Amino acid sequence: DVVMTQSPLSLPVTLGQPASISCRCSQSLVHSDGNTYLNWFQQRPGQSPRRLIYRVSNRDSGVPDRFSGSGSGTDFTLKISRVEAEDVGVYYCMQGTHWPQTFGQGTKVEIK
Amino acid sequence: QVQVVESGGGVVQPGGSLRLSCAASGFTFSTYGMHWVRQAPGKGLEWVAFIRYDGNKEYYVDSVKGRFTISRDNSKNTLYLQMNSLRPEDTALYYCACWAPGGSYWGQGTLVTVSS
Repeated sequence: DVVMTQSPLSLPVTLGQPASISCRCSQSLVHSDGNTYLNWFQQRPGQSPRRLIYRVSNRDSGVPDRFSGSGSGTDFTLKISRVEAEDVGVYYCMQGTHWPQTFGQGTKVEIK
Repeated sequence: QVQVVESGGGVVQPGGSLRLSCAASGFTFSTYGMHWVRQAPGKGLEWVAFIRYDGNKEYYVDSVKGRFTISRDNSKNTLYLQMNSLRPEDTALYYCACWAPGGSYWGQGTLVTVSS
């Protein structure tokens, strides 16, 4: 199975400052169809998760443009350009290229 | 408006069975693959199973293979998860979810507790 390793696991951030989460995979996420199926999910406290980013860098509908995804192959990053209070929660990378699909351990973003 | 509502969770003894259901509305259920994702108390997300839009292909995480079966009834817009030979480590909140173009659809989850 593909192992997804996120860092850091805990990320205290000052409001208005940037934040960055890394996701490294144990094998390439490039699918035979040429796409890279790397998603980012956000889970706010007490809520169900929601997808923010799909296929590395595509924002889902309604996701603020302060969120951006980048990367290729086995190394990926989620960036928040200026953290807001509503961004508090746990962020997960997830790969959909290989079966079984797998999530990272999660990164908890909190306000300092 | 999209709605995804899971049901069927509860407390069951080790070795027992449960059948989870997920009723979907507000989107064309029959055209989307569907997932079950679980979250043990205080833990992260774990992908469990997927079924193709037409029900003709399924995938499972290794830890549930041979014990869980995912299925769907497109005429009822409903997804199922039959869980047999349950173990304490299956205790979790089980979410039904769909990765759709432009977003994802999730329910609120149904809690499964495996305990004697």
